[in-house]
Amino acid sequence: QVQLQESGPGLVKPSQTLSLTCTVSGGSISSGSYYWSWIRQPAGKGLEWIGRIYTRGNAKYNPSLKSRVTISVDTSKNQFSLKLTSVTAADTALYFCARASIATAGNSWFDSWGQGILVTVSS
Amino acid sequence: DIQMTQSPSSLSASVGDRVTITCRASQYIVTYLNWYQQKPGKAPKLLIYEASSLQTGVPSRFSGSGSGTDFTLTISSLQPEDFATYFCQQSYDTPVTFGGGTNVKIK
Repeated sequence: QVQLQESGPGLVKPSQTLSLTCTVSGGSISSGSYYWSWIRQPAGKGLEWIGRIYTRGNAKYNPSLKSRVTISVDTSKNQFSLKLTSVTAADTALYFCARASIATAGNSWFDSWGQGILVTVSS
Repeated sequence: DIQMTQSPSSLSASVGDRVTITCRASQYIVTYLNWYQQKPGKAPKLLIYEASSLQTGVPSRFSGSGSGTDFTLTISSLQPEDFATYFCQQSYDTPVTFGGGTNVKIK
């Protein structure tokens, strides 16, 4: 049973870079057909997909954040990471990492999630 | 972006009630539609994938249907642990998008 765990600072100053890591246990991040994704949720609001990475291919990002986001993977550590630059208060949210299983036809679904990490942007 | 519109945004129901939540996509998405349950402060939990496939371990009182642009999540007999928020999500195209959520509350 794969498990995901987010880690990183819970407080980031405006204009700085938010950096989070997701550690995957119970399975190799390189095996199988999965997207490794970041999703966020402001308090009391809905879910926003930030982007994903496929260990055998490129990353894809939400166009609304694309200029500020980088997702990378470190297969040696079984981790993937999120960097979000030039943060503002609007980036305050609960950040989740998640695994998406990919079907043969290309559709996918998020079947494993981390517990989430609250990141507050404030001076 | 593909817009996902859920209705209702909230509902009140009693234990044992049949509950139906709908999700409409702004364009054709075949059956690339998934449903999640989220409780306060917790990560979403996958219930249904590919519109109608029940995720392993999810009770059979949950079911999904639909294709194209219109989809439905049904809870056949609401249980106390089912009071939560439900989200639909499309994976037909990036960016992946979610519905606004339906909060199922106790009547």
